[in-house]
Amino acid sequence: DAKTTQPPSMDCAEGRAANLPCNHSTISGNEYVYWYRQIHSQGPQYIIHGLKNNETNEMASLIITEDRKSSTLILPHATLRDTAVYYCIGGGGRGSTLGRLYFGRGTQLTVWP
Amino acid sequence: NAGVTQTPKFQVLKTGQSMTLQCAQDMNHEYMSWYRQDPGMGLRLIHYSVGAGITDQGEVPNGYNVSRSTTEDFPLRLLSAAPSQTSVYFCASRPTGTGRTGELFFGEGSRLTVL
Repeated sequence: DAKTTQPPSMDCAEGRAANLPCNHSTISGNEYVYWYRQIHSQGPQYIIHGLKNNETNEMASLIITEDRKSSTLILPHATLRDTAVYYCIGGGGRGSTLGRLYFGRGTQLTVWP
Repeated sequence: NAGVTQTPKFQVLKTGQSMTLQCAQDMNHEYMSWYRQDPGMGLRLIHYSVGAGITDQGEVPNGYNVSRSTTEDFPLRLLSAAPSQTSVYFCASRPTGTGRTGELFFGEGSRLTVL
């Protein structure tokens, strides 16, 4: 399963776009990139995932580079409620060790008014 | 649907005591797992199971036992609690299927203190 690297912290003004980067240079061809977030001490919440193409849902957009070595999670209009730790995970692809999904320390995003 | 349910939410133990953290899911997910979260450490995988009767170790399995006799339940046992096991424990499950194998559903956590 791919190791990921994220900055420990970022901040963003409310209403602006928050762009959270993630490096996953060891990701294999069949491994997905997943993003989760954890608000305060709650259980992590799934946000989005992708394989090769960019993805968008009601929560966020995911931009994956063509070489798949990095990705960016975009929260288009950050709100105070988006303040959380964001985790980028690589893994879960067909043929991979499906059980092992490792969370790193993530990025603490602080949205300020 | 209740999703993933963990009990107890809070527990205080003395060193050497044993206990079981319960996890149940009602989504018919084959995969279940346990993570622990310590301050500044993110989440670390303890044990996981890809189906009834099948379990495997994660990053930090020492001091913990698991079994999976049913699809719904995945209990985590501490046989002899140590202060180093003071942590917040999260249970998670996920559906199987192409492209969705990483979409984990988490419980609310169990906060364990070992004195």
